[in-house]
Amino acid sequence: NAGVTQTPKFRILKIGQSMTLQCAQDMNHNYMYWYRQDPGMGLKLIYYSVGAGITDKGEVPNGYNVSRSTTEDFPLRLELAAPSQTSVYFCASSLSSRAGEQYFGPGTRLTVT
Amino acid sequence: TQLLEQSPQFLSIQEGENLTVYCNSSSVFSSLQWYRQEPGEGPVLLVTVVTGGEVKKLKRLTFQFGDARKDSSLHITAAQPGDTGLYLCAANSKEVDMRFGAGTRLTVKP
Repeated sequence: NAGVTQTPKFRILKIGQSMTLQCAQDMNHNYMYWYRQDPGMGLKLIYYSVGAGITDKGEVPNGYNVSRSTTEDFPLRLELAAPSQTSVYFCASSLSSRAGEQYFGPGTRLTVT
Repeated sequence: TQLLEQSPQFLSIQEGENLTVYCNSSSVFSSLQWYRQEPGEGPVLLVTVVTGGEVKKLKRLTFQFGDARKDSSLHITAAQPGDTGLYLCAANSKEVDMRFGAGTRLTVKP
């Protein structure tokens, strides 16, 4: 099993550009999550999904969109990149519930200039 | 203000020393998890505690969940350089989605 994979690993965007961060898991987990990690701030939940076709907002959803068309994939979309979205983004998955043990991908480091 | 307050924020010790880090909140949680994160990687789960007063051991690491399920501690005995990393606590309740603390950055010097 590859676990949770994320692409790209690094990306630099100009203000106003858009991009999609890809996330895939091969563990047949129902729950998937997107977090951002800023220095000294821990991880903040952006969006999560409890299964294909179902998504919900987390703590900091503004400026992002997600979709969950399959169990395996959970892409995160930035439509109009802003400097405040400079961060490290982590995707995670868990088997059974929002409180379930989460498995994280290696992260995407995004810089918006 | 963080829902989960972790202390200390930074800790630098010599190999062989013992240490305790804390995760505190005013909220009651259904479960609490500890993760360790190394530079350039995602967090890796160490343990989940769900019962007030629960103690779990993982080799030299001892985790305790407070009786009221509002706080937790992580104790490391005889720390080794391989224990170096960012230790994160995370918790959730019926009212609050998964939240993470800001972490304790531990450095163990050989």
